[in-house]
Amino acid sequence: AQKVTQAQTEISVVEKEDVTLDCVYETRDTTYYLFWYKQPPSGELVFLIRRNSFDEQNEISGRYSWNFQKSTSSFNFTITASQVVDSAVYFCALSEAKWGSQGNLIFGKGTKLSVKP
Amino acid sequence: EAQVTQNPRYLITVTGKKLTVTCSQNMNHEYMSWYRQDPGLGLRQIYYSMNVEVTDKGDVPEGYKVSRKEKRNFPLILESPSPNQTSLYFCASSLTGDLYEQYFGPGTRLTVT
Repeated sequence: AQKVTQAQTEISVVEKEDVTLDCVYETRDTTYYLFWYKQPPSGELVFLIRRNSFDEQNEISGRYSWNFQKSTSSFNFTITASQVVDSAVYFCALSEAKWGSQGNLIFGKGTKLSVKP
Repeated sequence: EAQVTQNPRYLITVTGKKLTVTCSQNMNHEYMSWYRQDPGLGLRQIYYSMNVEVTDKGDVPEGYKVSRKEKRNFPLILESPSPNQTSLYFCASSLTGDLYEQYFGPGTRLTVT
């Protein structure tokens, strides 16, 4: 069965610190997708990134970077020089990629990040 | 503007009173789904639809119904709401079921007393 574990329930940092949010997943599929979503205090879900299981290159987008390691089944998310606006709940999610799959997103329970000024 | 809309955004109701939460997308997406979000549990899929007239259960379908008569709309129906259905509900859509980029609606906060 598929499963996503975000072991960090809450993290608190001071502005400008770097912070890494951990995500560990379980799947028996060889082809799958991994996602990160941000949920700010306003409640909406904001798509951050999608990676497929064949692409292990790390990705950087501004202050955000993602480290995908199949060997450890991890897809960690790092925010460099955190800002107060980064305060949110962050969800990691996993989806199968079988042809015709209904594409259910399996979400982790989320990590609440608080960035203090 | 590409978007998924949900109505109402907030709803307080009583046990047993039927309600419908509407969801509409303007991107001609085939795939739509409903999730509920509960503290400490993350988001869990309720129902999904691969296309018009094609729906199926997700992980937590009990107590819910859906329909997909038009491509753009995917309403969530609670025939007899109960307090354990108090939750934050999200509708989502994507072009296909491979979820290349799944767009989420703004959420509907439902309280059943």
